[in-house]
Amino acid sequence: KNQVEQSPQSLIILEGKNCTLQCNYTVSPFSNLRWYKQDTGRGPVSLTIMTFSENTKSNGRYTATLDADTKQSSLHITASQLSDSASYICVVSGLAGNQFYFGTGTSLTVIP
Amino acid sequence: DAGVIQSPRHEVTEMGQEVTLRCKPISGHDYLFWYRQTMMRGLELLIYFNNNVPIDDSGMPEDRFSAKMPNASFSTLKIQPSEPRDSAVYFCASSYGQPSVYEQYFGPGTRLTVT
Repeated sequence: KNQVEQSPQSLIILEGKNCTLQCNYTVSPFSNLRWYKQDTGRGPVSLTIMTFSENTKSNGRYTATLDADTKQSSLHITASQLSDSASYICVVSGLAGNQFYFGTGTSLTVIP
Repeated sequence: DAGVIQSPRHEVTEMGQEVTLRCKPISGHDYLFWYRQTMMRGLELLIYFNNNVPIDDSGMPEDRFSAKMPNASFSTLKIQPSEPRDSAVYFCASSYGQPSVYEQYFGPGTRLTVT
């Protein structure tokens, strides 16, 4: 069964600190992996998208890594800001490209 | 561009009533997606269209749900009759090009409450 699991479920960090969110998947075959940020009451916004051949992708203070062999991805947030408080969702696409498997997200709270 | 537009933003209805959610995708996008999000199940893809044609509706929970896209700038998701377990946030998203490659842009969502 194709699955995407994220950890931790929730995380609280101090402003200015770094953090790393994890995404493990069993989707096979695999096309690409995306990380989305979802602010409360809003739709998800894409942060990064990586194909199976990419190991890392950055978007400002956000850096996603991918290990297609172990089927693991991480999202690293550097120098966190209060505005980083949101839910972060990992989405894996199957090779057909028309199947999307969603993680249940990690809720991040950045406190001053 | 105003982005993906959804209406209404909030909908409260009684069990058994018909509910219609509306979506206007970004101009020029040829793919449109309907998602449902709940705390328990997270985001779920319900159905998606390519060039106004439904491609995959395997995520539609049951016959009470139907979706249409009469033209490139408008889509509806209808629930008839609605049930309390349909309470969720419904998102519409659009993209240009193959969704496995290109970005999906989400609307602000419609929060549906069925009492």
